[in-house]
Amino acid sequence: QQQVRQSPQSLTVWEGETAILNCSYEDSTFNYFPWYQQFPGEGPALLISIRSVSDKKEDGRFTIFFNKREKKLSLHITDSQPGDSATYFCAASSDTNTGKLTFGDGTVLTVKP
Amino acid sequence: GALVYQYPRRTICKSGTSMRMECQAVGFQATSVAWYRQSPQKTFELIALSTVNSAIKYEQNFTQEKFPISHPNLSFSSMTVLNAYLEDRGLYLCGARDRGNTGQLYFGEGSKLTVL
Repeated sequence: QQQVRQSPQSLTVWEGETAILNCSYEDSTFNYFPWYQQFPGEGPALLISIRSVSDKKEDGRFTIFFNKREKKLSLHITDSQPGDSATYFCAASSDTNTGKLTFGDGTVLTVKP
Repeated sequence: GALVYQYPRRTICKSGTSMRMECQAVGFQATSVAWYRQSPQKTFELIALSTVNSAIKYEQNFTQEKFPISHPNLSFSSMTVLNAYLEDRGLYLCGARDRGNTGQLYFGEGSKLTVL
C-alpha cells in the first residue's frame, strides 16, 4: 500500500493560472510534509513545507493547504510561470529528527506561455 | 543558505565494479544524512540513515555490505555502491538534515550511476 499518493500524475496550465497539486497519505503518524521541486537532471530542491499543527503555509506564490482529518494536502502555485515547469514531489515524515521521508510518485507540471 | 554538494555528478561503470560518491554539506551542520536512490521512473527509495556518532541504519533490501557508508563529521558523508549491476542504476541522492532548521532535509544534485 502506497503511503503517499499524488495526483494528478501530470498537469498542464497556462501562464498566469493557478496550478493545484494534490497529495494524500495513509500513516496518521506523519506530521511533517515537505514539497520538493525537481528539474530534469537535477536533485530535488526543498520548496515549502508544513507541519500537521498548521492548516496553511504560504511562501510567495506557493501555498500548502492541509487537512489533517482527511489526510490530504495540496500545493497551490498561483500566477504560474513557464519556469515553474518541473516535477513536484510531496513527501511525509513522522520523525523529523532523522530525515526519513516517504515520497509520492510526483506530479509533472507544465506551464505553457 | 544550506547547500549540499555531491560528486561525482555522473559515473558510468562496468558490471561488477564499484562506485564511490561523496556528499558535502556547506553552510550548515548536517546532524543526519539520508541516502536515497531515485529510479529512472523517478520513485525514491531510502537506502540508509546516518547520524554522526550513531550506528547507520539501513532499510530493508539495502545492506552495509553492498552500500557501505562513512559519516565522519557534520559536513561530510560518503557511500560506495559495491559490485554494481544493472538494477543499481539510478540517481543517488544525499539528503542532509540541518540541525538549525529542524526536520528540513536538503538534497544535493545527486550522483547518477549508469551500469554497462
